[in-house]
Amino acid sequence: GAVVSQHPSWVICKSGTSVKIECRSLDFQATTMFWYRQFPKQSLMLMATSNEGSKATYEQGVEKDKFLINHASLTLSTLTVTSAHPEDSSFYICSARDRRSLRSGANVLTFGAGSRLTVL
Amino acid sequence: QKEVEQDPGPLSVPEGAIVSLNCTYSNSAFQYFMWYRQYSRKGPELLMYTYSSGNKEDGRFTAQVDKSSKYISLFIRDSQPSDSATYLCAMSVGTYKYIFGTGTRLKVLA
Repeated sequence: GAVVSQHPSWVICKSGTSVKIECRSLDFQATTMFWYRQFPKQSLMLMATSNEGSKATYEQGVEKDKFLINHASLTLSTLTVTSAHPEDSSFYICSARDRRSLRSGANVLTFGAGSRLTVL
Repeated sequence: QKEVEQDPGPLSVPEGAIVSLNCTYSNSAFQYFMWYRQYSRKGPELLMYTYSSGNKEDGRFTAQVDKSSKYISLFIRDSQPSDSATYLCAMSVGTYKYIFGTGTRLKVLA
């Protein structure tokens, strides 16, 4: 089945630094990837939709200059948290949609294992 | 009112029990209905996927969709301690973005 790899699984950084999180689809091509944020004991909050070869679409209230998204290829999307602050500490999860599932009429997302960010 | 409502739990059941997890929704345009399982500090993994109404069974898991009532369910038979996790319902209109429930934390006691 479809596999999404997310790296790093956890990262600790100092306030003011930038952190990059990678999301790769290992055995399929993904024209669209999604980035979510999850707070403890809460559901997934969609941050942005990453489209290969074009600008990401951000959800209302998400700062695009704070959370930079790049989807340079059909298998890789990156999320960069710029000038991170303690309030950015969270669990970030990416997901991808297999193009083959779209052709079959399905709409199944495969999730990465998540990246836990702690900003000191 | 949220688009998708899900009781956060926690729900505690003894091993071997039948578990019923539910979500209600308000958007009648939803067509795709999914159930994901999420273990602590891990990403969600797809359990069941249903298009439109009806039932779907996979091993110990059964998913039901009742579009007339805007209500979906996930049943787990012969529950095991390894089923202890958070279960998230998700739904979407066409291939547009998913809307997730808050998740129900399930604890299966040995």
